[in-house]
Amino acid sequence: GEDVEQSLFLSVREGDSSVINCTYTDSSSTYLYWYKQEPGAGLQLLTYIFSNMDMKQDQRLTVLLNKKDKHLSLRIADTQTGDSAIYFCAERGRYGNKLVFGAGTILRVKS
Amino acid sequence: GAVVSQHPSWVICKSGTSVKIECRSLDFQATTMFWYRQFPKQSLMLMATSNEGSKATYEQGVEKDKFLINHASLTLSTLTVTSAHPEDSSFYICSAPRTGDDTQYFGPGTRLTVL
Repeated sequence: GEDVEQSLFLSVREGDSSVINCTYTDSSSTYLYWYKQEPGAGLQLLTYIFSNMDMKQDQRLTVLLNKKDKHLSLRIADTQTGDSAIYFCAERGRYGNKLVFGAGTILRVKS
Repeated sequence: GAVVSQHPSWVICKSGTSVKIECRSLDFQATTMFWYRQFPKQSLMLMATSNEGSKATYEQGVEKDKFLINHASLTLSTLTVTSAHPEDSSFYICSAPRTGDDTQYFGPGTRLTVL
């Protein structure tokens, strides 16, 4: 079955870059997503990448996809205290719109 | 961007009562909506797929008689937790993909506490 794994915790200093990693098992994944969740809130879509792309950049966010290794990463440049949240990686299979989520990575930014 | 709302934001109820949670797509139509539950410090678990005009599809292990889903229109899906018990206390989140879009839009979530 499909499985998505993430590291559980990342701590960085304000101004540094953060890299959150994710691995998935479904080779037929079509889209891969990064969502941000702040305490007590729903999920905010940060960015997504189509499976035939290697990289996507959107302002401070850079997504890298290694399809061969089924590895996805999210890099946040110039990390700010407001970036502190839980980040979820999710993959969407070939059929339908169902998403499979990772367990989430807690990002803590120290000032 | 597309907006999905949920109502209520939070609810506290007594054990044995039923609670209805609404999920609305505000500026687009959604033939499909998804219902998730999230326990503290855990990931989202897909409960069911809500289909407009037909029966919902439940994930394995989710009791369909316990969690009633109705998708009566293209902008509204409801989840009713029947005879709620303390173990049903959780954060319930809905999402909706917009037709022709590559993404899913999530509601802000509803926190249910059953006493």
